[in-house]
Amino acid sequence: QKEVEQNSGPLSVPEGAIASLNCTYSDRGSQSFFWYRQYSGKSPELIMSIYSNGDKEDGRFTAQLNKASQYVSLLIRDSQPSDSATYLCAVKGDSNYQLIWGAGTKLIIKP
Amino acid sequence: DVKVTQSSRYLVKRTGEKVFLECVQDMDHENMFWYRQDPGLGLRLIYFSYDVKMKEKGDIPEGYSVSREKKERFSLILESASTNQTSMYLCASRTSLGTASYEQYFGPGTRLTVT
Repeated sequence: QKEVEQNSGPLSVPEGAIASLNCTYSDRGSQSFFWYRQYSGKSPELIMSIYSNGDKEDGRFTAQLNKASQYVSLLIRDSQPSDSATYLCAVKGDSNYQLIWGAGTKLIIKP
Repeated sequence: DVKVTQSSRYLVKRTGEKVFLECVQDMDHENMFWYRQDPGLGLRLIYFSYDVKMKEKGDIPEGYSVSREKKERFSLILESASTNQTSMYLCASRTSLGTASYEQYFGPGTRLTVT
């Protein structure tokens, strides 16, 4: 059973600090990785995708991938209260269609 | 922008009723998905469709069926609703072209309560 693991949180971070969210996966052959943000009562929205080892930056967000250690991280710089949400990690499995989802980490940014 | 819409945001049904949830996407995406989301369990795939009239079971298909007669529309059917099907139902779609094909776009969700 291929798995994606996330700490459920909540992770509490002061406003302006860096929030660090982590995700580990079991399938060493995984190639594609995604971070989704989900506000309470809303549907998930894609914020980052990463396919190669290393860092990928988009504004205040940085995704980091380490395939040897089988983890992917999301860093949020200059955290804002509007970043408070649940962050879902998803990994492409063997299937061409399906993603394997983590249960999500709840992030709270305190003013 | 990709737009995925779902027929209802909130729905209340009685045990034993047949329930239809409809999803429509406007980006000519080949693949469409139905998930349910419950606290602490994350997203669980019920069914997906990779093309018109084609469907595949996901991880939890029992008690559900689907229909895809047109490319833009994917319906989820609860044949006889039960209280354990009370959940948030999310539809998603994506293209099948290139690496972007793994990115899924979600509708707003339907919160179904079965009493």
